[in-house]
Amino acid sequence: TQLLEQSPQFLSIQEGENLTVYCNSSSVFSSLQWYRQEPGEGPVLLVTVVTGGEVKKLKRLTFQFGDARKDSSLHITAAQPGDTGLYLCAGPLHSGGYQKVTFGTGTKLQVIP
Amino acid sequence: KAGVTQTPRYLIKTRGQQVTLSCSPISGHRSVSWYQQTPGQGLQFLFEYFSETQRNKGNFPGRFSGRQFSNSRSEMNVSTLELGDSALYLCASSPRGLDLSGNTIYFGEGSWLTVV
Repeated sequence: TQLLEQSPQFLSIQEGENLTVYCNSSSVFSSLQWYRQEPGEGPVLLVTVVTGGEVKKLKRLTFQFGDARKDSSLHITAAQPGDTGLYLCAGPLHSGGYQKVTFGTGTKLQVIP
Repeated sequence: KAGVTQTPRYLIKTRGQQVTLSCSPISGHRSVSWYQQTPGQGLQFLFEYFSETQRNKGNFPGRFSGRQFSNSRSEMNVSTLELGDSALYLCASSPRGLDLSGNTIYFGEGSWLTVV
């Protein structure tokens, strides 16, 4: 069972369309991060959200952290082919005396020119 | 500055063999963490080393081990390889470990391991 469930799993859209990706959990997270991973590369951090209800904007990308800090969303306006990639949310997890990072199930986005 | 460097990029091993993967972190970063990425299980945390000590670990069997050297370079070893160990193994470094608040974890490009 994944702690962070992302939806949709796959998304194929035309250039210029808008889209929203969701990251949901039944657990409360002190913070959540969003990454984008392009084929053949490692994930790259896009943003970190810390405060419940927080909204952060990165050019055409808007990130929101739920009020209860159990969920987050990523909205892309006017998607570009360069937005193509695997989007991952991630959060800190304390388990068994250890600190870990848990990643979401991922959303694979394809933007068609 | 140079990013996280992983070697080798691609390798093929036979079931039962062992493999060692190497990671050079960003200069000045003392935390190195390792991850396994597969289509079925996604991206999963293996362990973290900080100043040559394993500080945190995930839920992988003891066949997966690692170490960190005094220059912060790290190696990951997988013994008695199984077909299910085929995956992309990612290394990451950060200045402040796994604290995600106000801290950036930088990933390498990964090592693709195929077990046949």
